[in-house]
Amino acid sequence: AQSVAQPEDQVNVAEGNPLTVKCTYSVSGNPYLFWYVQYPNRGLQFLLKYITGDNLVKGSYGFEAEFNKSQTSFHLKKPSALVSDSALYFCATEDMRFGAGTRLTVKP
Amino acid sequence: ETGVTQTPRHLVMGMTNKKSLKCEQHLGHNAMYWYKQSAKKPLELMFVYSLEERVENNSVPSRFSPECPNSSHLFLHLHTLQPEDSALYLCASSQDLSGGYGYTFGSGTRLTVV
Repeated sequence: AQSVAQPEDQVNVAEGNPLTVKCTYSVSGNPYLFWYVQYPNRGLQFLLKYITGDNLVKGSYGFEAEFNKSQTSFHLKKPSALVSDSALYFCATEDMRFGAGTRLTVKP
Repeated sequence: ETGVTQTPRHLVMGMTNKKSLKCEQHLGHNAMYWYKQSAKKPLELMFVYSLEERVENNSVPSRFSPECPNSSHLFLHLHTLQPEDSALYLCASSQDLSGGYGYTFGSGTRLTVV
C-alpha cells in the first residue's frame, strides 16, 4: 500500500529564513507525489506534484520540493518564508493517501 | 473558488436530525471524494466515486450515506450522528482515479453535532 509520513507536527521559522517541511514516502514503483496547503477554514489547495523527470519540482507561491529516491523523501522547501505562508501542509500520494499534516508558522 | 463548491459552509445539527451535505463540480472530473478532517488527526478518506459508482468505502459508519446522482454532484446524507462526528467535511474531485493530475478540493462544511 502507498503511504506518506510527515514526521513533524509543527514547524516554526522566522520570516525571511528558508523553510523545509518534511515528507517521506512508501510507494512501490514510480511514485506520484503531491503537496497541498490548507489555510484556515478552507479546503486543500494544490501546490505542486512530482511525476517524473527533474527531482526538483517548482510549484505555486515560490515553493519547491525535492524528490530523493535514495532517502524516499519529498521535502517541501522555500528559500525565504513569508508570514502569509503560515498554514497546514499535506503531503499526498496519487491515490489520495495524505500525511497527517504539518502546521507551519512563520513569525515576523 | 476552486471549481468545487460545497454547501452549506457551516452546519449545526442535533443527534436526531437528518441533514445532507452537497458538493458540486463543473470541472469535467470523473471522480469525487468525501474526506473527514478532525482536529489533530490525519485526513480520513471516507468515500470514493468514479463515474457515479462507489469504488471505495473505508469502514464508515452507516449513519453516513453518500449519493452520487451524476458526475457533477455528490451528497453526504447524515442521520443520528454523534458528537464525535463533528469535523470539517471536505469534498474533492479529480480527472480520474489515477490521481496523476492531482485533486481539487472544496472549502468544506464545518459540521457541529450537539
